[in-house]
Parts: sequence; structure tokens; C-alpha cells
Amino acid sequence: GENVEQHPSTLSVQEGDSAVIKCTYSDSASNYFPWYKQELGKRPQLIIDIRSNVGEKKDQRIAVTLNKTAKHFSLHITETQPEDSAVYFCAASPSGGSNYKLTFGKGTLLTVNP
Amino acid sequence: DAGVIQSPRHEVTEMGQEVTLRCKPISGHNSLFWYRQTMMRGLELLIYFNNNVPIDDSGMPEDRFSAKMPNASFSTLKIQPSEPRDSAVYFCASMGRQETQYFGPGTRLLVL
Repeated sequence: GENVEQHPSTLSVQEGDSAVIKCTYSDSASNYFPWYKQELGKRPQLIIDIRSNVGEKKDQRIAVTLNKTAKHFSLHITETQPEDSAVYFCAASPSGGSNYKLTFGKGTLLTVNP
Repeated sequence: DAGVIQSPRHEVTEMGQEVTLRCKPISGHNSLFWYRQTMMRGLELLIYFNNNVPIDDSGMPEDRFSAKMPNASFSTLKIQPSEPRDSAVYFCASMGRQETQYFGPGTRLLVL
């Protein structure tokens, strides 16, 4: 089955700096890669996703890049703010047909210091 | 849109007792997922349904766990008998055509 590795497990940055979180996956059939943000005691919420026919996607201060050849994808947050502090999860799914099984990475605890 | 609804939000029970967790997906969504989250194991998919049919239950830990989806608007996850190692947050998520999974608020289960 799919295996998703996520690094780093913790990341501390100063407000205004950029943050980068990286994930690798093992199943070449995976073609859907969402990122979720989970604040303490809350539910995971989708912040951005990318599909394998796209190399990069941006949404304001958040961007995700995908390298299918190397089987890795990354989340980039620019101009970080204290409210960006949370745990971020990457995930991978084969998508299509009836298979929508998401495999999650172990998460990255991002702390943005004011 | 009420989002995914889960009940109860918190459950404290004693080892050996039966626990039933409930989920109401977003109206119109045809896929439903049950996850378990712990510090040690992260977010794990237990089972998912498509059009009320179980598609993949390979994540269900053992026979003590069972899940049902009798109709498009309701699903249950049952643990019988419960054990302390089952203590975790259990999330239900639903998905429509856009392939985005929307999570419910979760049920925090503590088995003493």
C-alpha cells in the first residue's frame, strides 16, 4: 500500500518568514495530494490540493509543488502569521474509480513566533 | 450546510463496554470515511463507504470494530468490547464529487 513520509515533524519560524514542509510517497499510482491544517483540538481542514497533471498551485500565501518523477510534493507558506501555527498533514490518494483512500503523513507542528 | 455531524463529541467508558459512534455526512455526499487519530499512529483510515457500500475496511484493527452505513445519511462505528488502547479521537469525513474530504468535529473516546 501507499506510504507517505513527512518532514520535518516540527518547524519553528519567525513571523513573516517562509515555511516549507516536504512529503514523499511510494505508490506511483497516487495522483491526488491534499494538504490539511489542524488546529489544536479541532478537525483537519483542507487548505490546498494538487493533482498529478499540475506541477504547482498557489492560493494567496500558500503554494504546493509536485514532482511526480521523484514522488515528492511540498507545501510553501510565505509571510507566515501567528494564526498559521497548527499541525499540517500531507496526504496521497490514487483517486479515480471507487478508490479514494487517503494515506496521511505523520504531520508537522508549525509554530510561528511573533 | 451543517457540515459533517458526529455524536457524541466526548465519550468516557470502562473497559469491556460497548461504544457506538455516530456520523451524519454532508447531504449529497456519496463517500464516507472513518479515521482514528492518536499521537503515536497519527491519522489512520479505518474504513470507507461509497454509496453506502464498504469499499475498504483493511484499516479496521480487529473484530472488535465494526461499521455500518444503513443509508446515505447515517453511519455508525461500534467497538465491542472496548479496551484502553482504543482511546483516541475518531473522525468521520464525507466526500462528494469534488474529491475533497470534509471532516466532522470528531469524537474523543477515553476507555478506562
